Amino acid sequence: GEDVEQSLFLSVREGDSSVINCTYTDSSSTYLYWYKQEPGAGLQLLTYIFSNMDMKQDQRLTVLLNKKDKHLSLRIADTQTGDSAIYFCAESLYNFNKFYFGSGTKLNVKP
Amino acid sequence: EAQVTQNPRYLITVTGKKLTVTCSQNMNHEYMSWYRQDPGLGLRQIYYSMNVEVTDKGDVPEGYKVSRKEKRNFPLILESPSPNQTSLYFCASWDSGSYEQYFGPGTRLTVT
Repeated sequence: GEDVEQSLFLSVREGDSSVINCTYTDSSSTYLYWYKQEPGAGLQLLTYIFSNMDMKQDQRLTVLLNKKDKHLSLRIADTQTGDSAIYFCAESLYNFNKFYFGSGTKLNVKP
Repeated sequence: EAQVTQNPRYLITVTGKKLTVTCSQNMNHEYMSWYRQDPGLGLRQIYYSMNVEVTDKGDVPEGYKVSRKEKRNFPLILESPSPNQTSLYFCASWDSGSYEQYFGPGTRLTVT
């Protein structure tokens, strides 16, 4: 399968910005996603970006895509304790049948 | 309420004893999939289904079976579970051509 890689942990203080990074290998990806997983729950889609875009902003979330380096990032502005969760980067290919997930980044927000 | 349900949520079993984890969605989605989540490995796709009676392997299908006899249901079958199948399992569904998957709450399976 495709390789999607993320760092495992990130710790920030409440009110700071968080930046979670992800690299992927398949240049034929159609969409790239960020999912959030809270303790004991399934994954919820946070945001996505189409592969021909460079940036997408959605309230406190900013997604940046560097296609040349196959690098995706998620910036959370004004991080709150409620943002503490595991964040997964994922990609899908053109047919939307198969999805490839990273290992997840556990975000810890300190008060 | 639109949702994906899984049962059971927790299961402890012994090696070799056949088990089935059920998954059901009420959104009339064409696509469904099973994933397993393991520490440090993220989610890996086991099987997916594009419609009734149409299934295909994901990245880690060995040791698992699936069936899709009705659009809403997609059970995961472990004919002879082994300890290396101890994991957290998620079912997901989505519409054809859609980018958003909807996930169930997960089933934590322990095989001793």
